[in-house]
Amino acid sequence: AQSVTQLGSHVSVSEGALVLLRCNYSSSVPPYLFWYVQYPNQGLQLLLKYTSAATLVKGINGFEAEFKKSETSFHLTKPSAHMSDAAEYFCAVRGSVSGGYNKLIFGAGTRLAVHP
Amino acid sequence: KAGVTQTPRYLIKTRGQQVTLSCSPISGHRSVSWYQQTPGQGLQFLFEYFSETQRNKGNFPGRFSGRQFSNSRSEMNVSTLELGDSALYLCASSLGAAGTMNTEAFFGQGTRLTVV
Repeated sequence: AQSVTQLGSHVSVSEGALVLLRCNYSSSVPPYLFWYVQYPNQGLQLLLKYTSAATLVKGINGFEAEFKKSETSFHLTKPSAHMSDAAEYFCAVRGSVSGGYNKLIFGAGTRLAVHP
Repeated sequence: KAGVTQTPRYLIKTRGQQVTLSCSPISGHRSVSWYQQTPGQGLQFLFEYFSETQRNKGNFPGRFSGRQFSNSRSEMNVSTLELGDSALYLCASSLGAAGTMNTEAFFGQGTRLTVV
């Protein structure tokens, strides 16, 4: 069965500092992985996705993530944080064919705070 | 291209009542999934509909049900509401057909249900 673990429920960075949000996955099949962002009282917006085409994936708003099979990780990074990046971030893995492949399994989320 | 539309945005219901939430997917998308988001349990998969058929179901009681119409619009219903049903209910739309696992799900802004 697929699962996702996000390390750190809260991360705080200074404006201009590196953002690193951690995600580890468990999957019995090659995974499809996603990062979503959620602003207060909003739905989820896709930041980027990994679909096995390339291990380094670039997304919107300057975010990128690297798929590392050996570490079963898909950490999200951004070189320089902006105040507008303050939000909650969710890592997700798509379910397997037998378990429902159109189902997303989410991590618990990481709330990112950016301070001046 | 219009996004995923969920109505209503906010609802207040009394314990014991029932409620119906609506979701209009992106044009051309045949899969609609529903998720419940609460502070304690995070994002949990409720069910998925594809071409008017329930394809997957999460671990929720039978009070939670849904359906999909021929135009792919979907509704979910919760009967005999409990206080614990208070949550943000999110709908996600995707292509959903076999062979499209590498495509993303697009989320609506959600319906905030409060049960008093």
